[in-house]
Amino acid sequence: AQSVAQPEDQVNVAEGNPLTVKCTYSVSGNPYLFWYVQYPNRGLQFLLKYITGDNLVKGSYGFEAEFNKSQTSFHLKKPSALVSDSALYFCAVRVPRGGGNKLTFGTGTQLKVEL
Amino acid sequence: KAGVTQTPRYLIKTRGQQVTLSCSPISGHRSVSWYQQTPGQGLQFLFEYFSETQRNKGNFPGRFSGRQFSNSRSEMNVSTLELGDSALYLCASNARTGNDNEQFFGPGTRLTVL
Repeated sequence: AQSVAQPEDQVNVAEGNPLTVKCTYSVSGNPYLFWYVQYPNRGLQFLLKYITGDNLVKGSYGFEAEFNKSQTSFHLKKPSALVSDSALYFCAVRVPRGGGNKLTFGTGTQLKVEL
Repeated sequence: KAGVTQTPRYLIKTRGQQVTLSCSPISGHRSVSWYQQTPGQGLQFLFEYFSETQRNKGNFPGRFSGRQFSNSRSEMNVSTLELGDSALYLCASNARTGNDNEQFFGPGTRLTVL
């Protein structure tokens, strides 16, 4: 069975500084990896995904993520954080064959960007 | 294009009652997935429907059920509600785009069980 770990419940960063939100995964085979963001009282918004190819994936709002197969990690990054980036971030994995559209999510990381 | 619609947005029920939640996917999308979000368990997959057939099911008791209609609208039902069923229920509208599937989430239904 697949699983996703987000080791940090909360990440605090100053506006303008780079941010990293960590994610590691466990799955047999080649995973599809995702990052979603959730603002209060809202659904999930898609940020980016990795399927295959270039290990560095660029997504919405200036976010990017690096797929590292040997470390089974898919950390989310942004070079310069904004206060408006403060939200709950979820990493997710999907098994491309046999799993349909089922996503397995991590527990989420609350990002707080302060002035 | 209209997004994913979930109704109602908020719901309060008491233990032992049953509840039905509705999800209308994006026009043309034939697959719908449901997730439960709680502070303790996080986001957990409930089930997925494609063309009125359940394609995948998560690890939830039989009190949780769903269905999909010919117009792709989906409902999920929870019978004999328990306090622990209080959660945000999210619906995702799934569609094939390029070489992969893309999922669009609705705003959710916040269920409170008293």
